[in-house]
Amino acid sequence: DTGVSQDPRHKITKRGQNVTFRCDPISEHNRLYWYRQTLGQGPEFLTYFQNEAQLEKSRLLSDRFSAERPKGSFSTLEIQRTEQGDSAMYLCASSLSGLRVLGYTFGSGTRLTVV
Amino acid sequence: DAKTTQPNSMESNEEEPVHLPCNHSTISGTDYIHWYRQLPSQGPEYVIHGLTSNVNNRMASLAIAEDRKSSTLILHRATLRDAAVYYCILRDSADGLTFGKGTHLIIQP
Repeated sequence: DTGVSQDPRHKITKRGQNVTFRCDPISEHNRLYWYRQTLGQGPEFLTYFQNEAQLEKSRLLSDRFSAERPKGSFSTLEIQRTEQGDSAMYLCASSLSGLRVLGYTFGSGTRLTVV
Repeated sequence: DAKTTQPNSMESNEEEPVHLPCNHSTISGTDYIHWYRQLPSQGPEYVIHGLTSNVNNRMASLAIAEDRKSSTLILHRATLRDAAVYYCILRDSADGLTFGKGTHLIIQP
């Protein structure tokens, strides 16, 4: 297992276009998280899944954002009608179970630039 | 999650120990103290965590004050590869981590 994989690493899109990112977690991890990070800030929580169920969504996740984890394995994050304010690094993380003592494994992120 | 306070930046010399402080005066009895670091152009990386007792692992040591209102991440011998942003996070739930701005650690050769 090579850790958490995210694709693509970079994405440049025009304002108004839709984009989709993919995350492949560590195979035995049942929890998957999405975060967004802007320059100079720490990562901000967006949403998380336990298996295929989406259990929590941040208020940062507007109606233009949707995330899925159809079979409890990989996940996708789609942004519709992108805006310049969506430009950020989108990070995915996974963990085993929900026990607070366990650490998360993060991917290297997808950097989105909306022009 | 309860809030943590960290210095914006710290500077140290290569091969010297580094002590990164974190204040968490509103910590609750069930909060675990987690540390993550983020190297440039990478996602955050888990470093260490603890509840009440000091902890050691291959990456670092975590010293927790007796009243648990502060903690210190200790890098015993800093290298240039330790230059990163270090985040101190309190975790009281199984849900998402709440990151602050962290401490930007600069290592001088």
